[in-house]
Amino acid sequence: DTAVSQTPKYLVTQMGNDKSIKCEQNLGHDTMYWYKQDSKKFLKIMFSYNNKELIINETVPNRFSPKSPDKAHLNLHINSLELGDSAVYFCASSQGGRGLGYTFGSGTRLTVV
Amino acid sequence: AQTVTQSQPEMSVQEAETVTLSCTYDTSESDYYLFWYKQPPSRQMILVIRQEAYKQQNATENRFSVNFQKAAKSFSLKISDSQLGDAAMYFCAYRRGSNSGYALNFGKGTSLLVTP
Repeated sequence: DTAVSQTPKYLVTQMGNDKSIKCEQNLGHDTMYWYKQDSKKFLKIMFSYNNKELIINETVPNRFSPKSPDKAHLNLHINSLELGDSAVYFCASSQGGRGLGYTFGSGTRLTVV
Repeated sequence: AQTVTQSQPEMSVQEAETVTLSCTYDTSESDYYLFWYKQPPSRQMILVIRQEAYKQQNATENRFSVNFQKAAKSFSLKISDSQLGDAAMYFCAYRRGSNSGYALNFGKGTSLLVTP
């Protein structure tokens, strides 16, 4: 059983389109995240959700809207895609403050053409 | 802000040898967690080792160990008996506090090459 699953793994789309990436975790964790990895491999936090509540939004453009229907799911919707949005997006989960480690999904490579 | 610095963009090691990857961080907190993650070409993020700042004992996981120097804010990773499968990007990460949902701040990574 996959612990954190993201779909799709690859996404190629044109500028201006709207797309969504889905994430689900079956670990019972209460906190979920979206990270962006750029072309230089730098990983940066975008959003953090705890029990469906948004905790942080790290100066991400309004075109990015996360949605957490329940604590096992955190989806990412992106409007009006731009070339600069091309990156690998990782979903991750953890059990709040226990610091036991974070489980990452396998990533979604988004290419905007 | 809790910044994480990895000063070695690339490192190389021969199979069976030992290599140390450097990481320093900046924080005003006294209690925190530090992690090393491995990212092979498959791009999967794999937890290598974690360290709790209040523990003086350095963490060890099989061939992987850390040298945690709290006063110096240094957290290096030592890989012993390197294997070809250790070739990957290695990221050092600092766990932020509850106000940030315990998100991780990552360093820019060190690409490790293992030669036969």
